[in-house]
Amino acid sequence: NAGVTQTPKFQVLKTGQSMTLQCAQDMNHNSMYWYRQDPGMGLRLIYYSASEGTTDKGEVPNGYNVSRLNKREFSLRLESAAPSQTSVYFCASTEGLFGDTGELFFGEGSRLTVL
Amino acid sequence: AQSVTQLGSHVSVSEGALVLLRCNYSSSVPPYLFWYVQYPNQGLQLLLKYTTGATLVKGINGFEAEFKKSETSFHLTKPSAHMSDAAEYFCAVSDRNTGFQKLVFGTGTRLLVSP
Repeated sequence: NAGVTQTPKFQVLKTGQSMTLQCAQDMNHNSMYWYRQDPGMGLRLIYYSASEGTTDKGEVPNGYNVSRLNKREFSLRLESAAPSQTSVYFCASTEGLFGDTGELFFGEGSRLTVL
Repeated sequence: AQSVTQLGSHVSVSEGALVLLRCNYSSSVPPYLFWYVQYPNQGLQLLLKYTTGATLVKGINGFEAEFKKSETSFHLTKPSAHMSDAAEYFCAVSDRNTGFQKLVFGTGTRLLVSP
């Protein structure tokens, strides 16, 4: 089982460029999430999708857009990258609500540098 | 808003010593609480969780945590540290205010284990 797969693993952008981070899960999970991880700040939620066809903002949504393409895939787009978006991005999924199972399954991360 | 506070960004112990990583939550209603571990260059994985029932929760790799409502705490412990325990540990919370749809993470504690 592949679990949660993120692409690309590494990316360097120039300020103002755009890019999309792809995420796919093969566990038939309903809910998917995008987090960013920065030193000393832990993981902060960018956007999430509680079920196919829905998306909601998390703690730090500015500068990002998301698409829940189907049940398996949840992409994160940076329309005009800024140096403040240099971070490690994690996609995660879970079967239902955290009151049910409580376990998030994470991808290996995508390290993005914006120059 | 729900949150968790992890005291100490770094904790150093000797191999064989007690591990104690602290986590306090802020919620008027007891939330669901989780500990996740992150090994270098990997995503996070679930160590243990508290939802309802027994307040002492046992997880993988010999870790356990106790939910103390009176202290709003959920500290993580292990009686005897092993070199392989060196990693970053995150406390996380989910509550009914968000319909248990989201996990909010603390800032993390890096555990260093010396021989």
